[in-house]
Amino acid sequence: GESVGLHLPTLSVQEGDNSIINCAYSNSASDYFIWYKQESGKGPQFIIDIRSNMDKRQGQRVTVLLNKTVKHLSLQIAATQPGDSAVYFCAENGRSGGYNKLIFGAGTRLAVHP
Amino acid sequence: DGGITQSPKYLFRKEGQNVTLSCEQNLNHDAMYWYRQDPGQGLRLIYYSQIVNDFQKGDIAEGYSVSREKKESFPLTVTSAQKNPTAFYLCASSRGGAGIGETQYFGPGTRLLVL
Repeated sequence: GESVGLHLPTLSVQEGDNSIINCAYSNSASDYFIWYKQESGKGPQFIIDIRSNMDKRQGQRVTVLLNKTVKHLSLQIAATQPGDSAVYFCAENGRSGGYNKLIFGAGTRLAVHP
Repeated sequence: DGGITQSPKYLFRKEGQNVTLSCEQNLNHDAMYWYRQDPGQGLRLIYYSQIVNDFQKGDIAEGYSVSREKKESFPLTVTSAQKNPTAFYLCASSRGGAGIGETQYFGPGTRLLVL
């Protein structure tokens, strides 16, 4: 079935290092992907998105890479800061239950250490 | 200041009681959604509405009900039929018009606890 999953449930990094969070998706027909950041007790916050006609998209300190050949998505955070500590999860525009919807992964927790 | 608001932040439900969670948006979005989030799990879709006066069941609609009488409001009722209601409930909205697999913006959430 369709799924959006993450390779690493927890990622610990040193402040100032770069972070890479990975996500695998199974629906090759998905044409749109989003990364969200969720801090403890809060709602998910949109970070960056990418469409399937692109391989890379950059934002402020963040880059999303899409490899359609192996159905893999990654979020790179440059110069990771303590405020980046949160759960990050990817979502894909997939079709399930007879309708298009966003399918969310379970998330990866990013812990930034001073 | 545009955004999505949810109230209350915390809600306590007694056995057999129906409770209603509020969600309001002033983004002029057509589509609104309700998700349930359990610890260590992804978001699961309860109900969604693509336009006023219309809504559809998501993946886990049993024990929940919604209404969409106004564009900006999409309240969720957790009924007594929902036997395991303890969770973090998230409301979201999107522009609509492109199905519901588009960018969704979330509210701050309501944590529901059972007494």
